[in-house]
Amino acid sequence: DARVTQTPRHKVTEMGQEVTMRCQPILGHNTVFWYRQTMMQGLELLAYFRNRAPLDDSGMPKDRFSAEMPDATLATLKIQPSEPRDSAVYFCASGRLGGTEAFFGQGTRLTVV
Amino acid sequence: GESVGLHLPTLSVQEGDNSIINCAYSNSASDYFIWYKQESGKGPQFIIDIRSNMDKRQGQRVTVLLNKTVKHLSLQIAATQPGDSAVYFCAENLKGNTPLVFGKGTRLSVIA
Repeated sequence: DARVTQTPRHKVTEMGQEVTMRCQPILGHNTVFWYRQTMMQGLELLAYFRNRAPLDDSGMPKDRFSAEMPDATLATLKIQPSEPRDSAVYFCASGRLGGTEAFFGQGTRLTVV
Repeated sequence: GESVGLHLPTLSVQEGDNSIINCAYSNSASDYFIWYKQESGKGPQFIIDIRSNMDKRQGQRVTVLLNKTVKHLSLQIAATQPGDSAVYFCAENLKGNTPLVFGKGTRLSVIA
């Protein structure tokens, strides 16, 4: 069945290293969201794309985070350099234009030591 | 897994009883309200949604109630089962396909 696929599922990295998280949205979905989940803040929107164009990335620290959609089947979220406070679970979700439901992937658990 | 051990309000319910999970939302202009369920190690999963021009919607074993006067949303689960144990989030958005704004969540614990 159709699902959002995220890789890797887990990532442990040292402070200062670059981290790239990948997401394959559901085929035919034209909207992609990146959320971050932490104990303190819950689910926060980082960025979202429609038809591969970034619409809002105001939730991301611009100096270290970047999000792109190289093509309709791949969304990436990059952190460079990573910091311990970036440790969280990062979720990608996709949806159809006009729809209300966002389908979430399994998430990437990032630990920065 | 991908659960984050959130410090959340917890609702403990006996198996077979009905559960009611409440949520207060903030934006009176929100057009859709959605309930998500997040099990340990998984991403949030859609349960049911309701449009702002409705006050009640029923699904399989679940009912969502919307009170726009006091900006309150509730999720009722009938005959709660152990598999219903999860964190439940309410979310709102202004119109279709715009980003969801999530509430803090409630942890439901079902006692067998």
